[in-house]
Amino acid sequence: ILNVEQSPQSLHVQEGDSTNFTCSFPSSNFYALHWYRWETAKSPEALFVMTLNGDEKKKGRISATLNTKEGYSYLYIKGSQPEDSATYLCAPSGGTSYGKLTFGQGTILTVHP
Amino acid sequence: EAQVTQNPRYLITVTGKKLTVTCSQNMNHEYMSWYRQDPGLGLRQIYYSMNVEVTDKGDVPEGYKVSRKEKRNFPLILESPSPNQTSLYFCASSSRRQGWDTGELFFGEGSRLTVL
Repeated sequence: ILNVEQSPQSLHVQEGDSTNFTCSFPSSNFYALHWYRWETAKSPEALFVMTLNGDEKKKGRISATLNTKEGYSYLYIKGSQPEDSATYLCAPSGGTSYGKLTFGQGTILTVHP
Repeated sequence: EAQVTQNPRYLITVTGKKLTVTCSQNMNHEYMSWYRQDPGLGLRQIYYSMNVEVTDKGDVPEGYKVSRKEKRNFPLILESPSPNQTSLYFCASSSRRQGWDTGELFFGEGSRLTVL
């Protein structure tokens, strides 16, 4: 089983704050790193799929960076809004079994108005 | 509309009574996968399929079977359900394939299963 660690486990911020989370994963046999947002009572939805070392992706106020050599990715949210409250999951693909996609336990973000 | 459809969405059953959770996607994706979500344990992969007639175990395959006879369908079979299989199940599909992984996962709405 791929060892995927996300930190922090949970985070409470005020509306307007900027925040960031970390996803750590084994750097060997890396294919791609997925980020998903999972709102309560809904299904996870993809934010980014990143493949190249140094990759940076942006969607609105959310951006992500990738370091495949050291095995980590950062997700940033600028000017958090209450609607950003969700669990943010990362999932690296790689290792000896290409089809496996192992999710981290997620970072639970709560944005207070 | 592109979607992944799971049925049933909710089910209460009893120990030992075989059940099947269906999953169908209309995006012509080759890759499909099943996950279960349990409090404190996150999303754990049960089985995945890279293509028709190609299936493989994920991290928690015990007690489950799958089949992939058609590209669009990937049913999850619980031959003899037990209470420890009470969980929220998600099916997902993707355009990702061997050696090429830029395809995001599209998730179904989830199936909440309770085994008494």
